[in-house]
Amino acid sequence: SQQGEEDPQALSIQEGENATMNCSYKTSINNLQWYRQNSGRGLVHLILIRSNEREKHSGRLRVTLDTSKKSSSLLITASRAADTASYFCATALNTGGFKTIFGAGTRLFVKA
Amino acid sequence: EAGVAQSPRYKIIEKRQSVAFWCNPISGHATLYWYQQILGQGPKLLIQFQNNGVVDDSQLPKDRFSAERLKGVDSTLKIQPAKLEDSAVYLCASSLGQNQPQHFGDGTRLSIL
Repeated sequence: SQQGEEDPQALSIQEGENATMNCSYKTSINNLQWYRQNSGRGLVHLILIRSNEREKHSGRLRVTLDTSKKSSSLLITASRAADTASYFCATALNTGGFKTIFGAGTRLFVKA
Repeated sequence: EAGVAQSPRYKIIEKRQSVAFWCNPISGHATLYWYQQILGQGPKLLIQFQNNGVVDDSQLPKDRFSAERLKGVDSTLKIQPAKLEDSAVYLCASSLGQNQPQHFGDGTRLSIL
């Protein structure tokens, strides 16, 4: 199974609501990154949170990291139709090498 | 700054044919990645370069896939011969260094008939 696994697989909400996506991983990490992918496009980097950080904000995005539970969450506040996309977490492993592994993603649909 | 450029955008070939993809990373980015993304899944790393050296190619099917990064800048990924299961989007990404945020191109959508 993948190192990073997002939950839920799909999420449908109304514009203005908050969206929360979770990511769980298995092994020790150097950092964890969240990316967005619009249909037919490449991934866009959103936030990087290091293993010694617990929370990070960027605009309407809030990311938390709990290394004891090996989990992270991405919160999008006051969602907009333009937030409709797939969201992926990527874990940068801390195994002596440098390897980033992507999860299967959460598909977010924001209804106007 | 200019983003990661990939070409072609789309490619349709028959099985057992060969195909090549090209990637021009962001200037100054030492690390270059090739990913395979099958519909509905996350990107799967095929190969990672640090300058012109290979860092990780553990998931590259070496009997049919090859990649090179000449002079530590542009890169090409080749498939020969293609199989039906190779139908996917091939994404190229680059970053300043390993474990840094990656910048992605829009990918090449490959369809095998």
